[in-house]
Amino acid sequence: DAKTTQPTSMDCAEGRAANLPCNHSTISGNEYVYWYRQIHSQGPQYIIHGLKNNETNEMASLIITEDRKSSTLILPHATLRDTAVYYCIVTNSGGSNYKLTFGKGTLLTVNP
Amino acid sequence: KAGVTQTPRYLIKTRGQQVTLSCSPISGHRSVSWYQQTPGQGLQFLFEYFSETQRNKGNFPGRFSGRQFSNSRSEMNVSTLELGDSALYLCASSLGGTGTGELFFGEGSRLTVL
Repeated sequence: DAKTTQPTSMDCAEGRAANLPCNHSTISGNEYVYWYRQIHSQGPQYIIHGLKNNETNEMASLIITEDRKSSTLILPHATLRDTAVYYCIVTNSGGSNYKLTFGKGTLLTVNP
Repeated sequence: KAGVTQTPRYLIKTRGQQVTLSCSPISGHRSVSWYQQTPGQGLQFLFEYFSETQRNKGNFPGRFSGRQFSNSRSEMNVSTLELGDSALYLCASSLGGTGTGELFFGEGSRLTVL
């Protein structure tokens, strides 16, 4: 799986959009970008994933650059409950994609 | 629909003992994977089971083992516990099979080894 690089921490004001970047310059053609988050003392929660097109669901939007070397997770209206560690993971779509490699992630703190 | 259930949530053991943790996946999910989370190493993949067969294994010693039953429930066992085994053990389930799919994690079992 390709390695990812994320900032260690970010702050965001409540109600504003939170934009979390992720670099994955060694991503290969069959690898997807996944985002998970982990709220303190809970198990990680799936947010969204994409291959090359931008994706949106009820939780967030995922913007992937045209060269696929980086992506941005957007939480459109951050709330205090969005304070968590956000993990960007790149993994292939083969039968072994259930072995996820989690990095250190980004600690997002949403401030009132 | 019920989520992933892990038991016990908390437990304390002493060095040299063994421990068994249980995971009940979401109904219909056939893949169960296990992760260890510690402050120093973060989240690390232990192993994954699909249809009662271990399909993937991480870089952990043989003291860590697991199994999956015909109803997809899974257990993991750690023998001869060491202080460094103190961690949050997370189970995740997925539909399984080939192709992509998100993982659904349980709340974890927090193991403390004294």
